[in-house]
Amino acid sequence: EDKVVQSPLSLVVHEGDTVTLNCSYEVTNFRSLLWYKQEKKAPTFLFMLTSSGIEKKSGRLSSILDKKELFSILNITATQTGDSAVYLCAVPGGGTSYGKLTFGQGTILTVHP
Amino acid sequence: DTGVSQNPRHKITKRGQNVTFRCDPISEHNRLYWYRQTLGQGPEFLTYFQNEAQLEKSRLLSDRFSAERPKGSFSTLEIQRTEQGDSAMYLCASSLAGSQVFTFGSGTRLTVV
Repeated sequence: EDKVVQSPLSLVVHEGDTVTLNCSYEVTNFRSLLWYKQEKKAPTFLFMLTSSGIEKKSGRLSSILDKKELFSILNITATQTGDSAVYLCAVPGGGTSYGKLTFGQGTILTVHP
Repeated sequence: DTGVSQNPRHKITKRGQNVTFRCDPISEHNRLYWYRQTLGQGPEFLTYFQNEAQLEKSRLLSDRFSAERPKGSFSTLEIQRTEQGDSAMYLCASSLAGSQVFTFGSGTRLTVV
């Protein structure tokens, strides 16, 4: 069965700090790894990674995938209070269908002013 | 189209009652997914549809749970004889077939008392 493990489970920082969130996975027939941000209700898409070693960036957020070691990291630089959220990592299911995303338990990030 | 819409936003019910939730996906998305999320956990897959066909159902899903997507547009999730353990956020998401990027709704929070 596919498995996604995130660490740390929670993190408290002050504005301006840099944080690194970790995601390790086990999946048959890897296709991609996705990061989502969940602030109050709906998770919103951040990144999809398919190739090892290629960094995806969006403003202060960046993410990279290591397919050999089966993990990904999400970096947030110069954190702001608006970055406070749950960050979720997910992988599509193995087999012939993309139908099922398996999520990790999430990292709760709290950014204090 | 303003995204994935879920109704109701909140539902409080007594143990043993039946409840039904509705999800309206993004109109051009042919895949629709149901997830359940409890506090401190990532979303847990329940089931998904491609058009009106239910393609996969979690084996963790009790037979008290049933989902339909009769015309390949909106979907309903029904829980019969609710139990306190059913209390959770029920998230709906949609995507185009073959896409691993899901768009989530804001969820229905169910409280069973």
